[in-house]
Amino acid sequence: NAGVTQTPKFQVLKTGQSMTLQCAQDMNHEYMSWYRQDPGMGLRLIHYSVGAGITDQGEVPNGYNVSRSTTEDFPLRLLSAAPSQTSVYFCASSISPPRQGARDTIYFGEGSWLTVV
Amino acid sequence: AQSVTQLDSHVSVSEGTPVLLRCNYSSSYSPSLFWYVQHPNKGLQLLLKYTSAATLVKGINGFEAEFKKSETSFHLTKPSAHMSDAAEYFCVVIRASGGSYIPTFGRGTSLIVHP
Repeated sequence: NAGVTQTPKFQVLKTGQSMTLQCAQDMNHEYMSWYRQDPGMGLRLIHYSVGAGITDQGEVPNGYNVSRSTTEDFPLRLLSAAPSQTSVYFCASSISPPRQGARDTIYFGEGSWLTVV
Repeated sequence: AQSVTQLDSHVSVSEGTPVLLRCNYSSSYSPSLFWYVQHPNKGLQLLLKYTSAATLVKGINGFEAEFKKSETSFHLTKPSAHMSDAAEYFCVVIRASGGSYIPTFGRGTSLIVHP
């Protein structure tokens, strides 16, 4: 099993450019999510999906779009990059969506370092 | 509502001495609690999780955490630090948000281990 795979690992964008961060998991997980990590802020949830065709916003969704056409893939799109989107992005998955009393492990990708200049 | 507070942004220890990383949560019911570790330039890896079967939870690499409901705490400990333990540690709680539940991360504690 490859687990959760993210590409690219590093990317530099100019302000206003668009790009897509790819995420794929091979564990047949229902739940997938994207986080951004900024110094001293922990990880903040951008968007999540509870299954193919279903997505929803997290804590910091502005400036990002997602789609979930298959169980395996969950790409994150930046439509018009801004310097405030310079961050490390993590894709994650778990077998089921989080719920009260649940203890499903969340599996993370290795991260994508994005710099917007 | 639930949230999680990691009380120290940095903890510095000498190799071979005990480690204590503190986490407090707020919860109105039995919480789902986790500790994750992130080594430099890597993704996050599960250390341990509270399952309600026991208040003392054993994880990987010799780490343990004790769930104390009366203190709303889930502190992470290790009897003897190793150089390879130097990393960022995150306490995580599952909290309700609208009609769903989302994992909420603490701000992280950076563990520094001196030779």
